[in-house]
This record gives sequence, structure tokens and C-alpha cells, in this order.
Amino acid sequence: DVKVTQSSRYLVKRTGEKVFLECVQDMDHENMFWYRQDPGLGLRLIYFSYDVKMKEKGDIPEGYSVSREKKERFSLILESASTNQTSMYLCASSGGTRATGELFFGEGSRLTVL
Amino acid sequence: GESVGLHLPTLSVQEGDNSIINCAYSNSASDYFIWYKQESGKGPQFIIDIRSNMDKRQGQRVTVLLNKTVKHLSLQIAATQPGDSAVYFCAENRSGGGADGLTFGKGTHLIIQP
Repeated sequence: DVKVTQSSRYLVKRTGEKVFLECVQDMDHENMFWYRQDPGLGLRLIYFSYDVKMKEKGDIPEGYSVSREKKERFSLILESASTNQTSMYLCASSGGTRATGELFFGEGSRLTVL
Repeated sequence: GESVGLHLPTLSVQEGDNSIINCAYSNSASDYFIWYKQESGKGPQFIIDIRSNMDKRQGQRVTVLLNKTVKHLSLQIAATQPGDSAVYFCAENRSGGGADGLTFGKGTHLIIQP
């Protein structure tokens, strides 16, 4: 089975702190994604990557950056956390440049910024 | 703006009845659609998908219907069980195809009444 692992299930940070959310997948997938999920808004794409060291902005990239130094690992970085970044963050992966589109998700990281 | 949406935020059905969850999309160029189920505290999980060259696809107890004329997608769950209680999301390929991830609707919370 595909496994996408997010290292932290729950985090509490203070405004202005730098936050790292880590994600690892074990299926040798080329594509990796970071979404945030908020009540009433569904899932919104922050950033994605289709290859090592490559990154593309999603629909809501402001306030975030990403790092993909290894194929299996995709990190989401909040340079200076703000309260409006309190959310559930979901990492996902998929295989191939013209893959079916199915994403495999991790269990999520719930971030609270105080 | 969002191109995939759902008609109802909440749907309540009796155990044993059939459930129908609806979704409207606005991008007529979309060629791949997918339904996810998200249980409380977990990441979204794949249920069923359909390509635009089909209008119906069946899985185990689930059927997805695609009406391209009116840009409408539905998920039918037969003989609803307590374990079907979850939030259901429809999604479509973003413009770049499978490598660019999915655009999600806001979700419908399916509640099963005993």
C-alpha cells in the first residue's frame, strides 16, 4: 500500500515562529502536493512539485515555501507563522507526468498558531 | 476561483437507504473526476474515479455518474451503512493534468441516521 507519512499530527506554534511540516512517501512517486483544509472551504492547493528541486505555486502560495531535496520528501515551510495559518495541512503524492490524477494523502498535520 | 463545488454541505440519510451526493463543476475542459471520502481525523481516501469519455462507473456499493452536458457529477452509495459516515469530496484534474494535482469541492458531510 502507498504510504504518505506526515511527521507531526498536531503542532502549536506562536505568531512569528518558523514552522516546518515534513512529508515522506514510500512509493517512488514523482509528484507531491501540499493542501490546507479549512471548514467550509474544502482543500486548497498551496504548492506542488513534480520532480526533485522543482516546485510550482498552487492556488494559495502566499506565506508559504517548500523544499524538495529528495524524491521521497516534501517539506512545507511557514517562514513567519500567522494566526490565519491555523489549519489542517494535508500532504499528498501521485505517480507519473500524466498519471490518472489520483492523489494519496497523509493523515494530516493540524497546526494551531497562537 | 473554485471550479468544483457541491450542492449541500450536509446530507442526512437513514441507514439502509441509498445516498446521492451531488457536485457541479464549471470547467468544461476537465477530463478526470474523482471522489474522496474523509473520516474524522484521517486524510482523504480514494473511492472511485471516472474519465470524461464515460458517463457511469460502478464500484463496490458505489456508482459515479457524469453528465457533461450540465457539468454535473454524482456519487451514489447503495444501502448506506454507519461506516459511510464521513465528508465526501469531489475533485477534478487541474488544468495541467495529473501532475498538477486536483481541485476539490467544499465537501458534503454524510450523516447516517439509525
